[in-house]
Amino acid sequence: GAVVSQHPSWVICKSGTSVKIECRSLDFQATTMFWYRQFPKQSLMLMATSNEGSKATYEQGVEKDKFLINHASLTLSTLTVTSAHPEDSSFYICSARDLRETQYFGPGTRLLVL
Amino acid sequence: GENVEQHPSTLSVQEGDSAVIKCTYSDSASNYFPWYKQELGKRPQLIIDIRSNVGEKKDQRIAVTLNKTAKHFSLHITETQPEDSAVYFCAASRVSFQKLVFGTGTRLLVSP
Repeated sequence: GAVVSQHPSWVICKSGTSVKIECRSLDFQATTMFWYRQFPKQSLMLMATSNEGSKATYEQGVEKDKFLINHASLTLSTLTVTSAHPEDSSFYICSARDLRETQYFGPGTRLLVL
Repeated sequence: GENVEQHPSTLSVQEGDSAVIKCTYSDSASNYFPWYKQELGKRPQLIIDIRSNVGEKKDQRIAVTLNKTAKHFSLHITETQPEDSAVYFCAASRVSFQKLVFGTGTRLLVSP
């Protein structure tokens, strides 16, 4: 099956710093990638849809200036959490959509903001 | 917008029993329904999906059924094994809209 990688797998940072998370589709091209946030024992909450070469589409309630998304190529999307605060601590997961419309998920990034 | 409800939230079965998880959706235009399995601390893994032009799909011990009229779909796992223990999420989307709307998840525990 299709493989999606995510880096880093975990990060601890100080409040006020910015953190960049990378999502890569390793063996297929993905014109569309998605960024989710997942709290413990809860479902996946879609944050934004990332389209290659265009601006991301953010879900209601998600601050676009807080969560910067760049989809510069068909295999890479990045999420930057700017000026991170403790409430941004969470599990962030990306997914990439293949030509059959199937979404494959990355392994996730666990962010802890101190 | 689309809303997906999933039941039950937890399900405990004995090894070898069958498990059924049910989901309902609100958007009659939805036509793609995947199921994901997520083990603790790991990524969701696609286990089976169904599109609206079929009513049932099977893959070994796993099957999914779709009732478009009633707007519900179900995951059936037969001969459950302890390694089936995980959280299962259903989802729905209008393929042309691309984004998936997830259910709230079902924690399945299979006891030996």
